[in-house]
Amino acid sequence: GAGVSQSPSNKVTEKGKDVELRCDPISGHTALYWYRQRLGQGLEFLIYFQGNSAPDKSGLPSDRFSAERTGGSVSTLTIQRTQQEDSAVYLCASSPRLVHGNEQFFGPGTRLTVL
Amino acid sequence: DAKTTQPPSMDCAEGRAANLPCNHSTISGNEYVYWYRQIHSQGPQYIIHGLKNNETNEMASLIITEDRKSSTLILPHATLRDTAVYYCIVRVASQAGTALIFGKGTTLSVSS
Repeated sequence: GAGVSQSPSNKVTEKGKDVELRCDPISGHTALYWYRQRLGQGLEFLIYFQGNSAPDKSGLPSDRFSAERTGGSVSTLTIQRTQQEDSAVYLCASSPRLVHGNEQFFGPGTRLTVL
Repeated sequence: DAKTTQPPSMDCAEGRAANLPCNHSTISGNEYVYWYRQIHSQGPQYIIHGLKNNETNEMASLIITEDRKSSTLILPHATLRDTAVYYCIVRVASQAGTALIFGKGTTLSVSS
């Protein structure tokens, strides 16, 4: 079956430009997460969507970062006025609504390079 | 969430068992132990999780000590494809699902 997909796989942009990263979660999964992974570092949580509830934005590093999830499915992470420190792999994950387990299925990520 | 401590790196010979330790001495009674791994240039992959009983699936076994202060992930017959960073995470499992907090993990290198 189809897993989590992300696009583009790679994005090179100039400092100051806006970028949009897309995530298609597994069909039927109600929870969607965005993480960031800088080179050689662990994953940093950015934002979390669960059904129709208000998203948990506690991990967003600045107001330049925002995310939407339309129709409870596809999500877009937008970074405005990109900076060089935004260069990282941006990972999306989804999970079904389970009583326990919390298994998250990750996409392959989008590698963002800000020049 | 409880903090975990893992060795930064481990080596294992192909075909041998890889035993990856994790300390979580401040774990709470309702926190599960999860293991994920991340192969180079890929997204993390769920391996296994448990609360207090030992667990086994097609990928690995998870041994949790009786006091739940530490656990060991066992890959019974490591292959070169098991070379990855392994993350031990403790987390309250809830119906809503919650974001995972990844530490630096253990880099496992399997060699022939």
